[in-house]
Amino acid sequence: EPEVTQTPSHQVTQMGQEVILRCVPISNHLYFYWYRQILGQKVEFLVSFYNNEISEKSEIFDDQFSVERPDGSNFTLKIRSTKLEDSAMYFCASFLPSDRGGYGYTFGSGTRLTVV
Amino acid sequence: KQEVTQIPAALSVPEGENLVLNCSFTDSAIYNLQWFRQDPGKGLTSLLLIQSSQREQTSGRLNASLDKSSGRSTLYIAASQPGDSATYLCAVSEGAQKLVFGQGTRLTINP
Repeated sequence: EPEVTQTPSHQVTQMGQEVILRCVPISNHLYFYWYRQILGQKVEFLVSFYNNEISEKSEIFDDQFSVERPDGSNFTLKIRSTKLEDSAMYFCASFLPSDRGGYGYTFGSGTRLTVV
Repeated sequence: KQEVTQIPAALSVPEGENLVLNCSFTDSAIYNLQWFRQDPGKGLTSLLLIQSSQREQTSGRLNASLDKSSGRSTLYIAASQPGDSATYLCAVSEGAQKLVFGQGTRLTINP
């Protein structure tokens, strides 16, 4: 069964540094997403990406964050000037819509980001 | 703004029991609803997807129902096993843009 692959599985970074989280979505999917889950809290939407541009972003997704699909297969989330409160599990997901409600969102196994 | 609520927040039952997890959402104009399982510190595993035109889906011992008009979904687990212990998340989408998640129900099955 096709999978969404995320690397690295765990990243530790110092406050103020930049990190890049990487994802390989399912190849025939059309929509790509980043979500995050702070420990003990809900999974929160960050951004959706369609047709090589951001289609929607949440209030969380400010200028500190950016996304790219540089080569048609990878999908990256860059976090600049990391803060302690950016520590969370970050999930990548992809989706293939249909006229009847889609084929379901597929999530990667996540990158645990720890900012120290 | 769509809000998703899951009740109960935690549930502990003996092995072998049948159980029901509840999910409610505030805006009935959904595209689909998906149930996920999350083990501690791990990713999200999709269990069942119910498209907006459907009323239920079944996979093995799992059955999910959807009542859009009342803004409710249930996940029924038959003959529970210790391996079913996990957090179960309900999420709804209003299009292809994003999923809105509930807080989850933490399920413990006692041998």
